[in-house]
Amino acid sequence: SAVISQKPSRDICQRGTSLTIQCQVDSQVTMMFWYRQQPGQSLTLIATANQGSEATYESGFVIDKFPISRPNLTFSTLTVSNMSPEDSSIYLCSVAREGVLNTEAFFGQGTRLTVV
Amino acid sequence: AQSVTQLGSHVSVSEGALVLLRCNYSSSVPPYLFWYVQYPNQGLQLLLKYTSAATLVKGINGFEAEFKKSETSFHLTKPSAHMSDAAEYFCAVSAFTGGGNKLTFGTGTQLKVEL
Repeated sequence: SAVISQKPSRDICQRGTSLTIQCQVDSQVTMMFWYRQQPGQSLTLIATANQGSEATYESGFVIDKFPISRPNLTFSTLTVSNMSPEDSSIYLCSVAREGVLNTEAFFGQGTRLTVV
Repeated sequence: AQSVTQLGSHVSVSEGALVLLRCNYSSSVPPYLFWYVQYPNQGLQLLLKYTSAATLVKGINGFEAEFKKSETSFHLTKPSAHMSDAAEYFCAVSAFTGGGNKLTFGTGTQLKVEL
């Protein structure tokens, strides 16, 4: 298994500001995933972050709003930019074991963001 | 493309009763299926996964799920509910992306266990 640490665990932010969420993994992984879980809803994949290349965003998510960094094989950040109340969600970082087709994903504890 | 449908956003059972959480999937290729549990204010924890080795999969905390290809289902069961099982449960299907696991989640089922 992988141990994933996310910071901050929660935050309350003013609209128009930005928040950067950090994700640290205890082992090297090629791909890291960022998910959003809006209140009362399921998880939606925001983007996939590869080390050394630009992140790949899912439909409905853009780099200007959710810039992602992946400086090395154990760390990634997700920034939620120019926040509005609609961005209030739980943001989760996820990784998967390498080279195994049916591997499960491991999740961080999540960052609970409230925008006021 | 793959998708997952979870029937019932809320399920309530009595302590000691059978737990049945329903999940149906759609996938253009043989699927890899997972059940995750999310306790309040926590991340997701894997309960069990279907790896194509056996259709009946046993997981942690006494949960199990049966893969039925003919019904495109992967329902989660537990013979006897415990108060500590109260949580949100997510069914997920994966598409391998050459090094990682891109999951598509269902909408979740909130399980309530009553005395």
